[in-house]
Amino acid sequence: EPEVTQTPSHQVTQMGQEVILRCVPISNHLYFYWYRQILGQKVEFLVSFYNNEISEKSEIFDDQFSVERPDGSNFTLKIRSTKLEDSAMYFCASSGDRDEPQHFGDGTRLSIL
Amino acid sequence: AQTVTQSQPEMSVQEAETVTLSCTYDTSENNYYLFWYKQPPSRQMILVIRQEAYKQQNATENRFSVNFQKAAKSFSLKISDSQLGDTAMYFCAFGSGTASKLTFGTGTRLQVTL
Repeated sequence: EPEVTQTPSHQVTQMGQEVILRCVPISNHLYFYWYRQILGQKVEFLVSFYNNEISEKSEIFDDQFSVERPDGSNFTLKIRSTKLEDSAMYFCASSGDRDEPQHFGDGTRLSIL
Repeated sequence: AQTVTQSQPEMSVQEAETVTLSCTYDTSENNYYLFWYKQPPSRQMILVIRQEAYKQQNATENRFSVNFQKAAKSFSLKISDSQLGDTAMYFCAFGSGTASKLTFGTGTRLQVTL
């Protein structure tokens, strides 16, 4: 069964550094998402992406964040200048259509030191 | 804005028994979707079951079934014949018919014991 893959599984970065989290969505999916989960808390929506542009973003997704689909397969989340509070599990998800179930990757654990 | 509430932080059930996890939500929309996701200790998010709001029939998926009460805005998950592998965090999630994001509840940690 096709799946969403995320790399790396764990990223450790110094505060203030830039980090790029990578995702390969399911190949025929058109909608892409990023969520984050701070340890012990609920999963929070960050951003959705369709047709090469952001379709919706949350208050969390400020100017430090950006997303990109640089080629036909990858979907990336960039955090420009990381803060301690960016430490979390970041999940990528994709769906074939807006009302179809979202399939999640295994997540990237981001640790900011 | 939509909200999702899971009032049971932790639940425990013995193997082979049945357990029901509660979820309530609040929305002014009429067209939406509800989901249960499972997050085992490995931290991946796995879709368990999905319910369309326009369908009156409750969704079932093998040992997993839901009790969807639209008027009460309630969406509980029933796990029958519980197995040790069902041990996980279970998240209820709301998907709007007009926007694509999912809104998650705070989760219920389910422990299946021998």
